[in-house]
Amino acid sequence: QSALTQPPSASGSPGQSVTISCTGTSSDIGNCNYVSWYQQHPGKAPKLMIYEVFKRPSGVPDRFSGSKSGNTASLTVSGLQAEDEADYYCSSCAGTNNVLFGGGTKLTVL
Amino acid sequence: QLQLQESGPGLVKPSETLSLICTVSGGSISYSGYYWGWIRQPPGKGLEWIGTVRYSGSTYYNPSLKSRLTMSVDTSKNQFSLRLSSVTAADTAVYYCALDSSSWSHFDYWGQGTLVTVSS
Repeated sequence: QSALTQPPSASGSPGQSVTISCTGTSSDIGNCNYVSWYQQHPGKAPKLMIYEVFKRPSGVPDRFSGSKSGNTASLTVSGLQAEDEADYYCSSCAGTNNVLFGGGTKLTVL
Repeated sequence: QLQLQESGPGLVKPSETLSLICTVSGGSISYSGYYWGWIRQPPGKGLEWIGTVRYSGSTYYNPSLKSRLTMSVDTSKNQFSLRLSSVTAADTAVYYCALDSSSWSHFDYWGQGTLVTVSS
């Protein structure tokens, strides 16, 4: 099974907005509302930032938002802050009882 | 607050079996709504779902690893485990255990991860 496709890198200046895409197929993102996003700082475990396409867990700032259109999901970070610099991974259910992750995007705050 | 902790050998020889345990604290592994997962991350690379196990013992494996994979639950110890056989250098990774509390939706809680190196 192939990983979901993410751009390797993204960047923005403090206060700006940046959007990271995650492209799959009609067998995963296109047919599943269980799309999630994780933030990972170096040497740390991933942290859930968005689940079920657009929902935020308690404690995650509302600067983080998620959406989906067709086979592509997106994570938008508004009002970029220095602490947002990290790797971001998307994930989606894929068929029955299967999970795919994206290859990851390194977000740099300039 | 639910916590997960991976444990096991940090070094495994090629062709041998990698074995890891995840100990759960602050919650019961037997709760019917919980799905317990393993995810790995090779050095400098992305995340890969390995598999998921439920308290009942039902297992769901990544198709690419299925032939080498065994996962199980020990409810008496509040632990679940991973065994990956016939390992090669490609299995070198940080292995995470995690909780999916919403039936294939997402992984809410993660262990800190443990690095397993496959080398002779």
